Amino acid sequence: QVQLQQSGPGLVKTSQTLSLTCAISGDSVSSDSAAWNWIRQSPSRGLEWLGRTYYRSKWYNDYAVSVKSRITINPDTPKNQFSLQLNSVTPEDTAVYYCARSISDMGIDHWGQGALVTVSS
Amino acid sequence: DIVMTQSPLSLAVTPGEPASIFCRSSQSLLHTNGYNYLDWYLQKPGQSPQLLIYLGSNRASGVPDRFSGSTSGTDFTLKISRVEAEDVGVYYCMQALQTFTFGQGTRLEIK
Repeated sequence: QVQLQQSGPGLVKTSQTLSLTCAISGDSVSSDSAAWNWIRQSPSRGLEWLGRTYYRSKWYNDYAVSVKSRITINPDTPKNQFSLQLNSVTPEDTAVYYCARSISDMGIDHWGQGALVTVSS
Repeated sequence: DIVMTQSPLSLAVTPGEPASIFCRSSQSLLHTNGYNYLDWYLQKPGQSPQLLIYLGSNRASGVPDRFSGSTSGTDFTLKISRVEAEDVGVYYCMQALQTFTFGQGTRLEIK
């Protein structure tokens, strides 16, 4: 079965870069039917989709307008994982971050365990 | 951006009774393939969200048949025919036509 294991620091200083990794088991980051997403959740913003990476003969990325200037999502095919980098963070970026798999037309069917990231000076 | 609006924001239901949660999208979610790109998720206390319904009315694998989804234009409904204690949590609708946008959530409690 598909499992997503998140890792990364739980505390990031203001103005620095938030970096998280999601290791995939039971599927491939290069799957031609899946997309690999980052989603965050905070009391003020609710559930907020941040972006995704996916492979359809070549690699594609989509990002939310709200973070487009600060975000990078990269696949790592040798390690079968994908990563999130969010630059120039502020306390408003404090949230629980989830990695998740979506399958073409069939919803977000697998989620990581979630990781609280706190941004503080 | 597509805005998703849910109602009510909370409800309390007696076990065995039905429950309905509503979601409205700011624009049509109807794809040219004839499907509405609307999903429903449940986030149980302390857990990650889990998929219940995709494409408006299709139950995800392992989801009990007491859960059903329906569509009328830009209005979407999640129905639970007989609420059980394990159904407590926050329910979210999400549009999947233009990337993903979630509703604000509806908290279901047991009376």
